[in-house]
Amino acid sequence: NAGVTQTPKFRVLKTGQSMTLLCAQDMNHEYMYWYRQDPGMGLRLIHYSVGEGTTAKGEVPDGYNVSRLKKQNFLLGLESAAPSQTSVYFCASSYSREPLVNEQFFGPGTRLTVL
Amino acid sequence: AQSVTQLDSHVSVSEGTPVLLRCNYSSSYSPSLFWYVQHPNKGLQLLLKYTSAATLVKGINGFEAEFKKSETSFHLTKPSAHMSDAAEYFCVVSGGRGSTLGRLYFGRGTQLTVWP
Repeated sequence: NAGVTQTPKFRVLKTGQSMTLLCAQDMNHEYMYWYRQDPGMGLRLIHYSVGEGTTAKGEVPDGYNVSRLKKQNFLLGLESAAPSQTSVYFCASSYSREPLVNEQFFGPGTRLTVL
Repeated sequence: AQSVTQLDSHVSVSEGTPVLLRCNYSSSYSPSLFWYVQHPNKGLQLLLKYTSAATLVKGINGFEAEFKKSETSFHLTKPSAHMSDAAEYFCVVSGGRGSTLGRLYFGRGTQLTVWP
Protein backbone atom coordinates (compact mmCIF):
# COMPACT_ATOMS: atom_id res chain seq x y z
CA ASN A 1 0.00 0.00 0.00
CA ALA A 2 1.25 3.45 -0.92
CA GLY A 3 -0.80 5.13 1.83
CA VAL A 4 -1.35 8.83 1.10
CA THR A 5 0.45 10.28 -1.90
CA GLN A 6 0.63 13.88 -3.09
CA THR A 7 1.41 15.33 -6.50
CA PRO A 8 3.51 17.37 -7.16
CA LYS A 9 6.23 17.47 -4.49
CA PHE A 10 7.41 20.96 -5.41
CA ARG A 11 5.98 23.81 -7.45
CA VAL A 12 6.81 27.43 -8.16
CA LEU A 13 4.03 29.70 -9.39
CA LYS A 14 3.77 33.31 -10.38
CA THR A 15 1.15 35.52 -8.76
CA GLY A 16 -2.19 35.03 -10.49
CA GLN A 17 -1.46 31.57 -11.88
CA SER A 18 -3.64 28.63 -11.04
CA MET A 19 -2.82 25.07 -10.11
CA THR A 20 -4.27 21.91 -8.63
CA LEU A 21 -2.70 19.72 -5.98
CA LEU A 22 -3.69 16.08 -6.06
CA CYS A 23 -4.02 13.80 -3.06
CA ALA A 24 -4.66 10.10 -3.39
CA GLN A 25 -5.15 7.41 -0.74
CA ASP A 26 -5.47 3.66 -1.11
CA MET A 27 -6.77 2.83 2.38
CA ASN A 28 -10.47 3.20 1.55
CA HIS A 29 -10.76 6.09 4.02
CA GLU A 30 -13.96 8.10 4.06
CA TYR A 31 -12.47 11.35 5.42
CA MET A 32 -9.81 13.43 3.70
CA TYR A 33 -8.20 16.73 4.68
CA TRP A 34 -5.99 19.48 3.31
CA TYR A 35 -3.69 21.42 5.66
CA ARG A 36 -1.13 24.13 5.20
CA GLN A 37 1.97 24.46 7.34
CA ASP A 38 3.66 27.78 7.95
CA PRO A 39 6.60 28.45 10.27
CA GLY A 40 5.51 28.83 13.89
CA MET A 41 1.86 28.12 13.06
CA GLY A 42 1.60 24.36 13.18
CA LEU A 43 -0.80 22.84 10.67
CA ARG A 44 -4.03 24.60 9.84
CA LEU A 45 -7.00 22.96 8.16
CA ILE A 46 -7.99 24.41 4.80
CA HIS A 47 -10.84 22.15 3.67
CA TYR A 48 -11.95 18.64 4.40
CA SER A 49 -14.30 16.01 3.05
CA VAL A 50 -16.37 13.44 4.91
CA GLY A 51 -17.16 11.43 1.81
CA GLU A 52 -17.28 11.31 -1.96
CA GLY A 53 -19.03 14.37 -3.35
CA THR A 54 -18.90 16.34 -0.09
CA THR A 55 -16.56 19.11 1.07
CA ALA A 56 -16.47 21.54 3.98
CA LYS A 57 -14.45 24.57 5.03
CA GLY A 58 -11.78 24.42 7.67
CA GLU A 59 -9.94 27.20 9.49
CA VAL A 60 -8.32 28.93 6.49
CA PRO A 61 -10.39 28.21 3.35
CA ASP A 62 -10.12 31.56 1.57
CA GLY A 63 -8.40 31.43 -1.82
CA TYR A 64 -8.77 27.65 -2.15
CA ASN A 65 -11.31 25.29 -3.64
CA VAL A 66 -11.56 21.54 -3.36
CA SER A 67 -13.30 18.63 -5.01
CA ARG A 68 -13.85 15.00 -4.06
CA LEU A 69 -15.23 13.34 -7.17
CA LYS A 70 -13.80 9.96 -6.27
CA LYS A 71 -13.46 8.47 -2.80
CA GLN A 72 -9.73 7.97 -3.15
CA ASN A 73 -8.86 11.43 -4.47
CA PHE A 74 -9.06 14.91 -2.96
CA LEU A 75 -8.03 17.88 -5.09
CA LEU A 76 -6.98 21.30 -3.81
CA GLY A 77 -7.17 24.18 -6.26
CA LEU A 78 -5.70 27.63 -6.25
CA GLU A 79 -7.54 29.74 -8.83
CA SER A 80 -5.33 32.83 -8.59
CA ALA A 81 -2.22 32.22 -6.53
CA ALA A 82 -0.94 34.87 -4.13
CA PRO A 83 2.41 35.11 -2.32
CA SER A 84 0.53 34.52 0.98
CA GLN A 85 -0.19 31.01 -0.27
CA THR A 86 3.49 30.11 -0.22
CA SER A 87 3.47 27.18 2.17
CA VAL A 88 3.85 23.46 2.58
CA TYR A 89 0.61 21.63 1.93
CA PHE A 90 -0.24 18.32 3.55
CA CYS A 91 -3.04 15.96 2.72
CA ALA A 92 -4.37 13.45 5.23
CA SER A 93 -7.05 10.79 5.42
CA SER A 94 -8.87 8.78 8.08
CA TYR A 95 -11.74 6.40 8.71
CA SER A 96 -15.03 7.94 9.70
CA ARG A 97 -15.86 6.05 12.87
CA GLU A 98 -14.61 6.92 16.35
CA PRO A 99 -11.98 6.57 17.57
CA LEU A 100 -10.29 5.82 14.23
CA VAL A 101 -11.57 9.09 12.79
CA ASN A 102 -8.95 10.88 14.87
CA GLU A 103 -6.04 8.86 13.52
CA GLN A 104 -5.07 10.68 10.40
CA PHE A 105 -2.51 9.43 7.94
CA PHE A 106 -0.46 12.16 6.29
CA GLY A 107 1.06 12.47 2.86
CA PRO A 108 4.66 13.65 2.30
CA GLY A 109 3.69 17.25 1.53
CA THR A 110 3.88 19.66 -1.40
CA ARG A 111 6.14 22.68 -1.13
CA LEU A 112 4.58 25.59 -3.03
CA THR A 113 6.25 28.92 -3.67
CA VAL A 114 4.31 31.82 -5.17
CA LEU A 115 6.48 34.63 -6.56
CA ALA B 1 -13.73 24.51 21.69
CA GLN B 2 -10.55 22.54 21.26
CA SER B 3 -7.09 24.07 21.36
CA VAL B 4 -3.52 23.19 22.17
CA THR B 5 -0.73 25.27 23.66
CA GLN B 6 2.85 24.11 23.36
CA LEU B 7 4.63 25.98 26.08
CA ASP B 8 8.08 26.09 24.47
CA SER B 9 8.82 26.96 20.88
CA HIS B 10 12.42 25.73 21.22
CA VAL B 11 14.03 23.19 23.53
CA SER B 12 17.74 22.38 23.57
CA VAL B 13 19.25 19.40 25.36
CA SER B 14 22.53 17.53 25.37
CA GLU B 15 22.69 14.02 24.02
CA GLY B 16 21.97 11.52 26.79
CA THR B 17 19.96 13.95 28.94
CA PRO B 18 16.19 13.83 29.47
CA VAL B 19 13.74 15.50 27.12
CA LEU B 20 10.57 17.28 28.25
CA LEU B 21 8.24 18.93 25.74
CA ARG B 22 5.22 20.57 27.36
CA CYS B 23 1.68 20.67 26.06
CA ASN B 24 -1.57 21.93 27.56
CA TYR B 25 -4.91 21.40 25.93
CA SER B 26 -8.42 22.71 26.10
CA SER B 27 -11.37 20.56 25.08
CA SER B 28 -15.12 20.51 25.50
CA TYR B 29 -15.13 16.74 25.28
CA SER B 30 -12.98 13.87 26.49
CA PRO B 31 -10.28 14.33 23.89
CA SER B 32 -7.91 12.12 22.01
CA LEU B 33 -4.40 13.52 22.14
CA PHE B 34 -1.43 12.91 19.91
CA TRP B 35 2.21 13.78 19.48
CA TYR B 36 3.60 13.95 15.96
CA VAL B 37 7.23 14.41 14.94
CA GLN B 38 8.48 16.07 11.78
CA HIS B 39 12.10 15.75 10.72
CA PRO B 40 13.51 18.42 8.40
CA ASN B 41 11.83 18.46 5.00
CA LYS B 42 9.80 15.38 5.87
CA GLY B 43 6.17 14.59 6.53
CA LEU B 44 4.54 13.97 9.89
CA GLN B 45 5.03 10.76 11.81
CA LEU B 46 2.80 9.70 14.69
CA LEU B 47 4.82 9.26 17.89
CA LEU B 48 2.04 8.25 20.24
CA LYS B 49 -1.64 8.70 21.00
CA TYR B 50 -3.96 8.84 24.00
CA THR B 51 -7.52 7.64 23.45
CA SER B 52 -8.97 7.33 27.00
CA ALA B 53 -7.26 4.10 27.96
CA ALA B 54 -4.08 4.13 30.09
CA THR B 55 -3.00 7.64 31.06
CA LEU B 56 0.69 6.84 30.52
CA VAL B 57 1.19 6.27 26.84
CA LYS B 58 4.30 4.76 25.31
CA GLY B 59 5.28 5.60 21.78
CA ILE B 60 8.01 4.89 19.31
CA ASN B 61 11.72 5.63 19.80
CA GLY B 62 11.49 5.63 23.61
CA PHE B 63 9.07 8.53 23.94
CA GLU B 64 6.16 8.55 26.32
CA ALA B 65 3.49 10.99 27.45
CA GLU B 66 1.22 11.23 30.44
CA PHE B 67 -2.36 12.44 30.23
CA LYS B 68 -3.23 14.52 33.31
CA LYS B 69 -6.84 15.61 33.22
CA SER B 70 -6.59 17.72 36.37
CA GLU B 71 -3.78 19.73 34.81
CA THR B 72 -5.09 19.51 31.21
CA SER B 73 -1.59 18.51 30.20
CA PHE B 74 -0.04 15.94 27.89
CA HIS B 75 3.71 16.42 28.20
CA LEU B 76 6.11 14.38 26.07
CA THR B 77 9.20 12.89 27.70
CA LYS B 78 12.18 10.73 26.87
CA PRO B 79 14.77 9.60 29.44
CA SER B 80 17.81 10.02 27.21
CA ALA B 81 17.99 12.17 24.08
CA HIS B 82 19.63 10.96 20.92
CA MET B 83 20.98 13.07 18.09
CA SER B 84 18.35 11.58 15.80
CA ASP B 85 15.59 13.07 18.01
CA ALA B 86 16.34 16.55 16.70
CA ALA B 87 13.12 17.55 14.93
CA GLU B 88 9.93 19.54 15.34
CA TYR B 89 7.24 18.08 17.57
CA PHE B 90 3.53 18.83 17.43
CA CYS B 91 0.96 18.25 20.14
CA VAL B 92 -2.50 17.65 18.69
CA VAL B 93 -5.99 17.40 20.18
CA SER B 94 -8.98 15.88 18.46
CA GLY B 95 -12.28 17.50 17.82
CA GLY B 96 -15.33 16.09 19.51
CA ARG B 97 -18.62 14.93 18.14
CA GLY B 98 -20.86 16.70 15.71
CA SER B 99 -19.37 19.30 13.43
CA THR B 100 -15.84 18.87 14.75
CA LEU B 101 -15.75 15.08 14.41
CA GLY B 102 -12.51 14.15 12.71
CA ARG B 103 -10.96 17.57 13.13
CA LEU B 104 -7.47 17.82 14.59
CA TYR B 105 -6.14 20.94 16.26
CA PHE B 106 -2.38 21.39 16.13
CA GLY B 107 -0.10 23.24 18.48
CA ARG B 108 2.44 25.58 16.97
CA GLY B 109 5.26 23.13 17.41
CA THR B 110 8.39 22.75 19.55
CA GLN B 111 11.75 22.61 17.83
CA LEU B 112 14.04 20.16 19.65
CA THR B 113 17.78 20.63 19.27
CA VAL B 114 20.13 17.94 20.56
CA TRP B 115 23.75 18.91 21.22
CA PRO B 116 26.53 16.30 21.08
